[in-house]
Amino acid sequence: KAGVTQTPRYLIKTRGQQVTLSCSPISGHRSVSWYQQTPGQGLQFLFEYFSETQRNKGNFPGRFSGRQFSNSRSEMNVSTLELGDSALYLCASSGGQGGGSSYNEQFFGPGTRLTVL
Amino acid sequence: EDQVTQSPEALRLQEGESSSLNCSYTVSGLRGLFWYRQDPGKGPEFLFTLYSAGEEKEKERLKATLTKKESFLHITAPKPEDSATYLCAVQSLYSGSRLTFGEGTQLTVNP
Repeated sequence: KAGVTQTPRYLIKTRGQQVTLSCSPISGHRSVSWYQQTPGQGLQFLFEYFSETQRNKGNFPGRFSGRQFSNSRSEMNVSTLELGDSALYLCASSGGQGGGSSYNEQFFGPGTRLTVL
Repeated sequence: EDQVTQSPEALRLQEGESSSLNCSYTVSGLRGLFWYRQDPGKGPEFLFTLYSAGEEKEKERLKATLTKKESFLHITAPKPEDSATYLCAVQSLYSGSRLTFGEGTQLTVNP
């Protein structure tokens, strides 16, 4: 079974630009969550999408947005990039068809390393 | 607000020297406590989910336990390939799939 895939793996942008990151969840998973990881703040929750609807949102400014498509693939967008947005962006999928205790298990992709210059 | 504190921040062991990592948490209704392993530059790798106090799970040299306030990750006879950052996270009953992570314990196992 293929794991979570994220594209691109690396990205370099300049301040003021915008960026779109993509995540393909494990087949059959319906929930996709996004996290930002930095050395100073650790892993911080951005938002979660389930069946194309945002179900939960973390404490990030409105420059961070996302969406989910009918095939559960998700994208996140960051507009007007700032230097502090440099981070590893991770997506995680969960909510497989099996149900039970494994339903909540979240599996992470390899991440997209975003550098803002 | 859900909170997770991990200790120690860093741990150096000799190969074969067993030890434990600690994860203390406060959460408004625990749905699950998760352990992950993360290697540099990679995404976290799922290890265990624990759901209720008293539960234990094992995988190779790792054993995770859960009480009402903390979890322990016991590493028995570690090998150099166990070197990684170990992350603990909690999931609340009231916040969907959202995970709240601790800062992690960076484990180094010397041969």
